[in-house]
Amino acid sequence: AQRVTQPEKLLSVFKGAPVELKCNYSYSGSPELFWYVQYSRQRLQLLLRHISRESIKGFTADLNKGETSFHLKKPFAQEEDSAMYYCALTQGGSEKLVFGKGTKLTVNP
Amino acid sequence: GAVVSQHPSWVICKSGTSVKIECRSLDFQATTMFWYRQFPKQSLMLMATSNEGSKATYEQGVEKDKFLINHASLTLSTLTVTSAHPEDSSFYICSASKGAGYNEQFFGPGTRLTVL
Repeated sequence: AQRVTQPEKLLSVFKGAPVELKCNYSYSGSPELFWYVQYSRQRLQLLLRHISRESIKGFTADLNKGETSFHLKKPFAQEEDSAMYYCALTQGGSEKLVFGKGTKLTVNP
Repeated sequence: GAVVSQHPSWVICKSGTSVKIECRSLDFQATTMFWYRQFPKQSLMLMATSNEGSKATYEQGVEKDKFLINHASLTLSTLTVTSAHPEDSSFYICSASKGAGYNEQFFGPGTRLTVL
């Protein structure tokens, strides 16, 4: 069965420091990977997807099929980046999302 | 665009009663809607997938008779928790998709259900 693992429940960095939120997946096919973000008291929203190869709010994520990873990175964290981050995947054309357990990122001033 | 609303945002009910939660796509037609359950400080667990005009597809372990889903139109899906019990207390979140080609889900704000 497909699975998404986010090993860090909590991650705390200082403003201006680089940040990396880890995500590993297990799936035998070709999944599509996503990062969703939930700011305090707001709904879940899409941050980025691997297929777009874009940078959103300074965040990037590269799909590494060899390591089955999709880590989220930002070179200089900002306080407004503090939020809950969820890695997720869909499998082979299905729209069903499988979520990791999430990482709570806190960026300290 | 792509706003999804849920109603109510919170509800408290007595054990044994039924509660209906609505999920609406406000500015687009949603071919598919999804219902999730989120326990405190845990991830979202997909409960079921609903397509307009057809029966919902439930995930393994989700009781169909307990969690009734109706997707009557392209902008409305409802989740009814029947004969609710305290263990059904949770945060229920819906999402809507414009279609497989978009492959993006737009999430509602969630509904907090507390069963006394």
